[in-house]
Amino acid sequence: LAKTTQPISMDSYEGQEVNITCSHNNIATNDYITWYQQFPSQGPRFIIQGYKTKVTNEVASLFIPADRKSSTLSLPRVSLSDTAVYYCLVGEGGYSSASKIIFGSGTRLSIRP
Amino acid sequence: ETGVTQTPRHLVMGMTNKKSLKCEQHLGHNAMYWYKQSAKKPLELMFVYSLEERVENNSVPSRFSPECPNSSHLFLHLHTLQPEDSALYLCASSQDHEPGGGNEQFFGPGTRLTVL
Repeated sequence: LAKTTQPISMDSYEGQEVNITCSHNNIATNDYITWYQQFPSQGPRFIIQGYKTKVTNEVASLFIPADRKSSTLSLPRVSLSDTAVYYCLVGEGGYSSASKIIFGSGTRLSIRP
Repeated sequence: ETGVTQTPRHLVMGMTNKKSLKCEQHLGHNAMYWYKQSAKKPLELMFVYSLEERVENNSVPSRFSPECPNSSHLFLHLHTLQPEDSALYLCASSQDHEPGGGNEQFFGPGTRLTVL
């Protein structure tokens, strides 16, 4: 199973770019990499998903190297409202792979003024 | 609002009680999930339903019993729970549960369960 490892916590300041890296050395060929954001007392919220190279949407970018053993979530110009826990998820979904949907421990990101 | 609602939001129960958690999705999705989130632990996938059929039970004790009467509703029936079962129980849904990514999950707000 593709276990993920993330830093427990990170601090940054408003307006800065924040990069959170997730390691997934045992990622399988069919696994996608997905990142979620979770605020206190709320369910996680999808941020971005990718398989390889780079993916960008309106809120973040996801960088995945060729070996896919890690991935980096990049948040441009963070604000105080980006303070949350960020989860890296590796899994493929599918009828035979529910047990492969594994959330990491999450990175607690704190943004300061 | 994510389109996924859960009730109740908070529940306190004794070890001999029987209670049920309810989840409803208004997104027209075909797959629904139950997760457990304990303090200082990663999210743990408990059950997956796809097209109302249970896809997998992730070694969850039998005191947790899921039910999916239709594609919009998911229940988690609880009985003879233990204090260590106290946690945030999250429901999620996705369009499908198929390989190939794109299975963005939409989470409900969760039910905070305390077992005394």
